[in-house]
Amino acid sequence: EPEVTQTPSHQVTQMGQEVILRCVPISNHLYFYWYRQILGQKVEFLVSFYNNEISEKSEIFDDQFSVERPDGSNFTLKIRSTKLEDSAMYFCASSDRENEQFFGPGTRLTVL
Amino acid sequence: RKEVEQDPGPFNVPEGATVAFNCTYSNSASQSFFWYRQDCRKEPKLLMSVYSSGNEDGRFTAQLNRASQYISLLIRDSKLSDSATYLCVVHRSSGTYKYIFGTGTRLKVLA
Repeated sequence: EPEVTQTPSHQVTQMGQEVILRCVPISNHLYFYWYRQILGQKVEFLVSFYNNEISEKSEIFDDQFSVERPDGSNFTLKIRSTKLEDSAMYFCASSDRENEQFFGPGTRLTVL
Repeated sequence: RKEVEQDPGPFNVPEGATVAFNCTYSNSASQSFFWYRQDCRKEPKLLMSVYSSGNEDGRFTAQLNRASQYISLLIRDSKLSDSATYLCVVHRSSGTYKYIFGTGTRLKVLA
């Protein structure tokens, strides 16, 4: 069964450093998303991406965040200058239409 | 008022019991509804979409009440493996793609 994959599974970084989280969505899907989940809290929407551009972003997704689809398969989330409060699980998701999103296993980001 | 509200639980039930969760949503423009299951430190996994007419998948039944703006999930004959957090998810069409998640309801099925 096709699935969303994410790398790395765990990323530890120093405050102020840049990180890139990688995702490979399901191959025939057209819509891509990033969500985050701070430990013990609910899953929060960050950004959606369709047709090679951001279709929507939340207030969390400020100027330190960016997304890219550098080739036909990868979808990346870059955090330019990490802060302690960026520590969270980051989930990538994809869908073939606006419903039924499928989530990757997540990247646990720890900012020290 | 939160856009999607769930009782966080935990619901502790014995194996074989029937358990029901409710979820209320505040935005009447909400169009699509889902139940996801999340195990500890894992990704949300789609359990079922919720249709207006209600739908059933094995031991799981989902219902939608648009007039009262809530959805429900019923689990019959609970198994130990049903222990997880159940996430209510709402999707508004008309120009937005994002999912709105509830905080989740934690279920523990006890032997």
